[in-house]
Amino acid sequence: AQSVAQPEDQVNVAEGNPLTVKCTYSVSGNPYLFWYVQYPNRGLQFLLKYITGDNLVKGSYGFEAEFNKSQTSFHLKKPSALVSDSALYFCAVRDYNAGNNRKLIWGLGTSLAVNP
Amino acid sequence: DTEVTQTPKHLVMGMTNKKSLKCEQHMGHRAMYWYKQKAKKPPELMFVYSYEKLSINESVPSRFSPECPNSSLLNLHLHALQPEDSALYLCASSQDNSLQETQYFGPGTRLLVL
Repeated sequence: AQSVAQPEDQVNVAEGNPLTVKCTYSVSGNPYLFWYVQYPNRGLQFLLKYITGDNLVKGSYGFEAEFNKSQTSFHLKKPSALVSDSALYFCAVRDYNAGNNRKLIWGLGTSLAVNP
Repeated sequence: DTEVTQTPKHLVMGMTNKKSLKCEQHMGHRAMYWYKQKAKKPPELMFVYSYEKLSINESVPSRFSPECPNSSLLNLHLHALQPEDSALYLCASSQDNSLQETQYFGPGTRLLVL
């Protein structure tokens, strides 16, 4: 069965330091992976996705993610964190079940707190 | 422009009321979705419309009734809701032609059922 895990409920980082939000996945075929961010009392905003090609994917707001097939991971990274990056981050993978290719399987989310 | 709009932003309703949530996109997307999200939890898929036809219903109670009047609009009709239905209701849309399609979300309607 397809699944996504975000092993950390919360990540704390100081402003200006690099940040990493972890995501691991399990799929039966090629993975289609997505990162979304949700600011307080807001909808979900798309950050980036991995479909194929380069393992390092660049996205919005200076975020990037590294796809690692051997470790089945897709960690979200940013070289220098901002206080405004404080939000809830969700990793998701496309469900491969026949007829359900529009469904996303979501991780439980990681709350990122960037301290000034 | 990757904008999905939703109205109203907030809604308070009693358990006997009938109300509707509205969603609109002008990106030419042919798939539209309703999700329910509880606080600090991932969104839960409720319905998927593809080319204006209902393609997925995730066993949602009949007190929630979706409608897709055209390719740009999606409604969710609410009737006889329960307090546990209080949540953020998110609409999303996507191109709907490949596995790599991205779902773009609206800001949501925060619903409180009294």
